This record gives sequence, structure tokens and C-alpha cells, in this order.
Amino acid sequence: AQSVTQPDIHITVSEGASLELRCNYSYGATPYLFWYVQSPGQGLQLLLKYFSGDTLVQGIKGFEAEFKRSQSSFNLRKPSVHWSDAAEYFCAVVLYSGGYQKVTFGTGTKLQVIP
Amino acid sequence: DSGVTQTPKHLITATGQRVTLRCSPRSGDLSVYWYQQSLDQGLQFLIQYYNGEERAKGNILERFSAQQFPDLHSELNLSSLELGDSALYFCASSARGEGANVLTFGAGSRLTVL
Repeated sequence: AQSVTQPDIHITVSEGASLELRCNYSYGATPYLFWYVQSPGQGLQLLLKYFSGDTLVQGIKGFEAEFKRSQSSFNLRKPSVHWSDAAEYFCAVVLYSGGYQKVTFGTGTKLQVIP
Repeated sequence: DSGVTQTPKHLITATGQRVTLRCSPRSGDLSVYWYQQSLDQGLQFLIQYYNGEERAKGNILERFSAQQFPDLHSELNLSSLELGDSALYFCASSARGEGANVLTFGAGSRLTVL
């Protein structure tokens, strides 16, 4: 069955440090892959997406993600974290099933940024 | 402002009651999705509509129902409410064509059942 796994429930990093959030998916083919961010009290906002082509994709707010087919992963990275990046991050997979798209979200990773 | 409008932002009600959550999608978007977010269940897909027709169903309880109207706004009706229905309810919309895969979320409606 289609699934998305975010192994880290909570991550704490120091401001200015690098960040990598993990995402693994389970599916036979290459799905469409997304990262969304949810700030406290807000809805989810799209950070970046991967459909095909270059496996390293750039997003908003200085984030990037790399699709690795061999590892079924789509990890999110940022070279230098800012305090405003504290939020919850969701990986999502979009698959077409029966002609319709189905979106599955991971359980999220809460990012805490310390001074 | 994402362009997806949800009302009310907050709602407090009692068990056994019925509430209606409303969503206006982004201008031009034909698809509307409803999600429930709770601490123990995470982000759960409930239902999707496209141009007034139900397109996909997820983990939506029988006590819940939804519809999309001709003007494309959508309503999620929650009845016989239980304590466990307390959650954030998100609406999202998507465009046609290449944009169909990208969801734009509203700010959510926080439901508290006492």
C-alpha cells in the first residue's frame, strides 16, 4: 500500500546549523513528491515539489530536496536554519489511482530552532 | 493569505451537536479537499470534490458529510459530535492541469467538542 514515512517526530537544531528532514515513501513507481510546512496556527504551505527531471529541487525559503529513487527517499535540506523555520514539516505523496489523484501525508516532523 | 477561506476559525460545541464548516476555494480552483488534523491521528484525508462531484473518499465517518455547491464553495457537516471529533479541519483546493497536484490550504477551522 502507498505510504509515506517521516521517521523523525521531533528535531532540534541550532540557528545557523544545517538541517535535513527525512522522508521515505512506499510505492512501485515514482510518485509526485511534495514538502509542506505548517507554522503554528496556520494551514500548510507548499515548500517544493518533484514531478520528474532533475532530482534536486529548489523551493521557497531556501529549502531544497533530493529525490533518490534507489532509497525511495525525498529528504528536505537547508544549509543554514533561521529561527523562523521552526514549524512542522510534512512530506506528501501524490499518486493517481483510478484516474484520480490521491494525496497521502506523512506524520510530520516538528522542528525546533534554538539560539 | 492563501486564497482559500475557511469559516469559522474556531468553534466550540457540545457532544451530540451538529456543525457545518465552510470553505471557499481559491478563485478558479475546481477541486476541494477536506482534511482532519488531530494530535493522535495526524493529517487525515476525508473527502475530495471536483466541480461539484465527489471524487475520492478517505477516512470520513458516516456521521460526517460534505458537498460542493455550484459556486464551488464546499461545506463539511459533522453530526452527533463526539469528544474525539475535536480537531483542526482543513480545506484545500487545487487547480486544473499541471496545478492539479498542488494543494493550497486554508488556515483551518478548529473544532472543540466539550
